[in-house]
Amino acid sequence: GENVEQHPSTLSVQEGDSAVIKCTYSDSASNYFPWYKQELGKRPQLIIDIRSNVGEKKDQRIAVTLNKTAKHFSLHITETQPEDSAVYFCAASKEGSSNTGKLIFGQGTTLQVKP
Amino acid sequence: DAGVIQSPRHEVTEMGQEVTLRCKPISGHDYLFWYRQTMMRGLELLIYFNNNVPIDDSGMPEDRFSAKMPNASFSTLKIQPSEPRDSAVYFCASSSAGTGFSKAFFGQGTRLTVV
Repeated sequence: GENVEQHPSTLSVQEGDSAVIKCTYSDSASNYFPWYKQELGKRPQLIIDIRSNVGEKKDQRIAVTLNKTAKHFSLHITETQPEDSAVYFCAASKEGSSNTGKLIFGQGTTLQVKP
Repeated sequence: DAGVIQSPRHEVTEMGQEVTLRCKPISGHDYLFWYRQTMMRGLELLIYFNNNVPIDDSGMPEDRFSAKMPNASFSTLKIQPSEPRDSAVYFCASSSAGTGFSKAFFGQGTRLTVV
C-alpha cells in the first residue's frame, strides 16, 4: 500500500536559521501533499499544501517543493522562530480516485527552534 | 464555525469496559475521518466516511472497534471491550469535496487511557 517516509525524525536549529523536512511517497498516483503542524497537546493543523500540477508553493516563511519524478516533497521554513517549535507531519493522498480523501501520514519531525 | 468537536476530551477506563468516542464534523463537510495517534505508530487512519457511508475501514485494528455515522452531523467510534494497548489519542477530522477532499480539519482529540 501507499507509504510515506519522513526525515529527519528530530531537527534542532538556531532561531533565524532555516529548517528543511523531507518526505518520500511510494504511490506515483498520489497528487495531493499537505503539511500539518502539531503543537504539544494540540490538534494537527494544516499549514500548507501542494497539488501535483505545481512544483512549488510559498506562504510567507514557509514553502513546499514537489519533485514528482523522484516522488519527493519538502517543507522549508525560513527565519525560524521559537513558536515554530512543534511536530510537523507530511501526508499524501490520491484525490479523484476511489481513495479520495485518504491521507497517509509520515512519522513526523520534531522541530526545536532554540532562542 | 466551531470546528470539529470531539467528546470527551479525556477518558480513563478499565480494561474490558466499552468506550464510545463522539465527533461532530464541521457543518457542510461530507467526509469524516477517524485517526489514532500513538508514539510508536504515529497518525493512523482507522476509517473514513463519505456522505455518512463508510468508504474504507481497512485501518480498523480488529473487531473490537466499530464506527458509525447515523447522520451528517454525528459520528461515534466504539471500542468493546477495551484493552490497555488501545490507549492513544483519537482524532476525528472532516473535509469537504468543495474545498478539497483531503484538506482535513482535525478536532481536539480524545485522550484515551485504558488501565
